[in-house]
Formats: sequence, structure tokens, C-alpha cells
Amino acid sequence: GQNIDQPTEMTATEGAIVQINCTYQTSGFNGLFWYQQHAGEAPTFLSYNVLDGLEEKGRFSSFLSRSKGYSYLLLKELQMKDSASYLCAPMDSNYQLIWGAGTKLIIKP
Amino acid sequence: NAGVTQTPKFRVLKTGQSMTLLCAQDMNHEYMYWYRQDPGMGLRLIHYSVGEGTTAKGEVPDGYNVSRLKKQNFLLGLESAAPSQTSVYFCASSQLAGGPETQYFGPGTRLLVL
Repeated sequence: GQNIDQPTEMTATEGAIVQINCTYQTSGFNGLFWYQQHAGEAPTFLSYNVLDGLEEKGRFSSFLSRSKGYSYLLLKELQMKDSASYLCAPMDSNYQLIWGAGTKLIIKP
Repeated sequence: NAGVTQTPKFRVLKTGQSMTLLCAQDMNHEYMYWYRQDPGMGLRLIHYSVGEGTTAKGEVPDGYNVSRLKKQNFLLGLESAAPSQTSVYFCASSQLAGGPETQYFGPGTRLLVL
């Protein structure tokens, strides 16, 4: 079956760095997406990885290891506005996104 | 350019009532999707469409029907609502099916079935 595993909740301090891990099992693989979702709002795209390695985009970076079925999202210089849920979503062989339940990130001053 | 819009934003239904959720996109995207999001669970795909006049079942299609008569619109229908259909419904669209093409989401419809 297809399965996504990511922590339910994490807490970090403003200005710090946090890493949100995601492990996945899918039928085939066509890349992995990370989305951000603020409470009561729609998900918005953060990053996409299809090859192994690190993709950096400003304060956010995303890493992928296809052989391990593992990805992480790294957030640097945390700001209060980064308080949100972060959704890991690999794409399977049918080009369908398989969504994790998300990691709720709480930023404290 | 409004992106993806959804109507209504919030609705309360009684068990057995019917309703239609409307999704509209102005980006000329080929692909459109309907998801539901429940607490503690990931987004689950209900139905999707790969182009005007086409629809396909997703992971959780039972109790829902869809239509894509116009490229810009994707309708989700509940013929006989049940309390288990209480959820937040998101519509999304994309130009292509594969990455790195991202899916763009509407603001969501919050549905409560009593």
C-alpha cells in the first residue's frame, strides 16, 4: 500500500532552524512535493524534488533520498508567520499526489 | 486573475439533502481535482478530470459525482448527504499531471452535515 509518515506536531523558536522529516512508500515515484498550509487556508506550493539531493529556495530547503524513501524540509531563520502545517506529498506512478497528514509547526518567540 | 475559486465557502446540510459545489479556474488548466480534508488525515482525492468532458474516480469517490462540462469549471455533487461527508473540500487545478507542475488550490468549502 501507499503510506506517508511525518511527525504530527513540532515546536521551534523564532530565529532557529527546524527539520521536518517525511518517509514514504508509493507505487512508483514521480517526484515529491512539499506544501504549506496555514490554519483555515488552502495548501500552497513550497518545493519539488525528483532527483536525490538538496534543493534550496531562500529560507526553505528540501532534501530527497529515493533509495531510502525519505525527504525532509529545512526551514531556517524561523519567523512567526512560518507557524503552519507542512504537507509532504509524493507523486505515484499514476501522477497522483499521495498526501501525508501534515506536520503542525508551532513557532514560539 | 482570480486563480481557483470555490462556491460556497460554507454550508450546513441535513442528512439526505443534496448540493453542488462549484470550482472555477481562470488559468486555462487542463487538470482539475476535488479533495476532502479531515482532521488528522491527509488530503484525499475524490474525483479528478484530465480535460473538458472527462472525469475519473479518485481514492474516495463513493457518495459523490462530478461533471466538467466547461474547461474552467469542475462541479462536485452530493446526491444524498451523510454526516460522514462533513469535511473541508478543496478544489485544485494544474496544467500538467506530472511534476514540477504544481497544483493550485481554491480556498476551500466547509461542509457540515447534520
